[in-house]
Amino acid sequence: AQSVTQPDIHITVSEGASLELRCNYSYGATPYLFWYVQSPGQGLQLLLKYFSGDTLVQGIKGFEAEFKRSQSSFNLRKPSVHWSDAAEYFCAVGASSGTYKYIFGTGTRLKVLA
Amino acid sequence: DAGVIQSPRHEVTEMGQEVTLRCKPISGHDYLFWYRQTMMRGLELLIYFNNNVPIDDSGMPEDRFSAKMPNASFSTLKIQPSEPRDSAVYFCASSTTLGTSGPYNEQFFGPGTRLTVL
Repeated sequence: AQSVTQPDIHITVSEGASLELRCNYSYGATPYLFWYVQSPGQGLQLLLKYFSGDTLVQGIKGFEAEFKRSQSSFNLRKPSVHWSDAAEYFCAVGASSGTYKYIFGTGTRLKVLA
Repeated sequence: DAGVIQSPRHEVTEMGQEVTLRCKPISGHDYLFWYRQTMMRGLELLIYFNNNVPIDDSGMPEDRFSAKMPNASFSTLKIQPSEPRDSAVYFCASSTTLGTSGPYNEQFFGPGTRLTVL
């Protein structure tokens, strides 16, 4: 069965520092992978997605993620974090073909220090 | 576009009462999803529809929960009777199969309904 693991529940970084949020997935075929962000009191917004092709994908708000098949990972990165990036980040994988469901990770809450 | 609209944004009710949550998807979208978010269980898919037809309701916790989609622009999630453990944020999301990713196109989420059952 498909699964998504986000090992870090909380991460704190200083403004201007680089950021990497980890995501590991379990899926038999080439997965559909997503990163969503949830600001406090808001719904989820798509940051970026990977389906095929270039393994480094660019998203909105200066985020990027790299798909590494050998490590079953899809880590999210940003070179310089802004205070407005404080939010919860969810990694998701598209479930088995034909069901069109997402399996979401448990989320990583990012705190940004001024 | 107004995005996915959910109402009410907040609902406080007493145990045993019926609760109805409402969702208006983005016009033209043919998939609609209901999720529940809690601290303990994270984000769970409850049910999803394609062209107004329920496709997978395996995430619906029990018979107290029901969902309908009478037309392409409206869906409801009903809990009857409600219990304190149903307290959560309920999200509706919609997507379209048009585009390169088909059913895995971006899901657009509504702002959620925060339900508190006393």
